[in-house]
Amino acid sequence: EPEVTQTPSHQVTQMGQEVILRCVPISNHLYFYWYRQILGQKVEFLVSFYNNEISEKSEIFDDQFSVERPDGSNFTLKIRSTKLEDSAMYFCASSEGRQTLEKTQYFGPGTRLLVL
Amino acid sequence: DAKTTQPPSMDCAEGRAANLPCNHSTISGNEYVYWYRQIHSQGPQYIIHGLKNNETNEMASLIITEDRKSSTLILPHATLRDTAVYYCIVRVAANTGTASKLTFGTGTRLQVTL
Repeated sequence: EPEVTQTPSHQVTQMGQEVILRCVPISNHLYFYWYRQILGQKVEFLVSFYNNEISEKSEIFDDQFSVERPDGSNFTLKIRSTKLEDSAMYFCASSEGRQTLEKTQYFGPGTRLLVL
Repeated sequence: DAKTTQPPSMDCAEGRAANLPCNHSTISGNEYVYWYRQIHSQGPQYIIHGLKNNETNEMASLIITEDRKSSTLILPHATLRDTAVYYCIVRVAANTGTASKLTFGTGTRLQVTL
């Protein structure tokens, strides 16, 4: 069964450093998403992406964040200058592009980011 | 998206059916009911979704009331591996070219016991 994959599974970085989190969505999917979950808190939406541009972003997704689909398979989330409060699990998700109103999202296993 | 209300926790004996309720009294006609679960900080796992008809797949059944104001997720024979946080999410239908986010609440923590 196709699945969303994410790398790395764990990332430790120093405050102020740049990090790039990588995702490989399900191959025929055209909609892509990033969510995050701070330890003990809810899963929060960050950004959605379609047709090489951002569809929607949350208040969390400020100028320090960016997303990119550099090739036909990867979808990345970059945090330019990490802060302590960016420590969280980051989940990538994808959904189909066929003409459907449902667009079920399938999630990856996540990247645990720890900012020291 | 309409707000949902779920009990914070439930217990279920292994082998028995787990019935997880969700209230979504402000749901609109173009909003789907989705169920996901999250096992110990893993990525949310899609279970099932529906609009107004009852749905069944290999994982679960979804019963939606006729007025669509509430629903119940049924795991017919719960196992220890079904211990997780279960999220009921109402999401508006999205047209082609529009991505539609999921808004997670705090869900129901289901504990399956021996």
